[in-house]
Amino acid sequence: GQNIDQPTEMTATEGAIVQINCTYQTSGFNGLFWYQQHAGEAPTFLSYNVLDGLEEKGRFSSFLSRSKGYSYLLLKELQMKDSASYLCAVLDSNYQLIWGAGTKLIIKP
Amino acid sequence: ETGVTQTPRHLVMGMTNKKSLKCEQHLGHNAMYWYKQSAKKPLELMFVYNFKEQTENNSVPSRFSPECPNSSHLFLHLHTLQPEDSALYLCASSQEGGGRVNEQFFGPGTRLTVL
Repeated sequence: GQNIDQPTEMTATEGAIVQINCTYQTSGFNGLFWYQQHAGEAPTFLSYNVLDGLEEKGRFSSFLSRSKGYSYLLLKELQMKDSASYLCAVLDSNYQLIWGAGTKLIIKP
Repeated sequence: ETGVTQTPRHLVMGMTNKKSLKCEQHLGHNAMYWYKQSAKKPLELMFVYNFKEQTENNSVPSRFSPECPNSSHLFLHLHTLQPEDSALYLCASSQEGGGRVNEQFFGPGTRLTVL
């Protein structure tokens, strides 16, 4: 079966750095997405990786290793507004998105 | 604002009621999706419409009935629901074609409570 694993919840301090991991086992791979979802709001796109390596976008970076079935989202200089759930999703061989359950990130002052 | 709107934002209904959820996208996309989001569970894809034709129906109970009259509008008709159907229902849209990889844009969701 297809499976996406990510931690259920993480806590970090304002100003610090946090890394949210995602491992996947899917039938084929056509890219990996990270979405951010604030409570009661729509998920919004953060990043897309299809090649190995690090993609940097401001305070957020996303890394992919296809051989290890592994990705992480790195958030730097954390702000209180970064408190949200972070969803990992993989596009399989049928171009269907397989979603993880999300990681709830709690930022403390 | 993502360009995808959903109404209503909140809905409380009894098990014998009939109601409909509405989704509208203003992005010119040709694919629309219904997802169910329950607490601490992955997003569950329910239905996919591509160019108004249903292309996915992931074993969803018949008490959920989708309708896509055109590429911009998507409905989810609900009848005789169960309490376990209480969840956040999300609509999304994307531009599909030729196996291109495209980002999905989500609406804010309808928080459904079935009593």
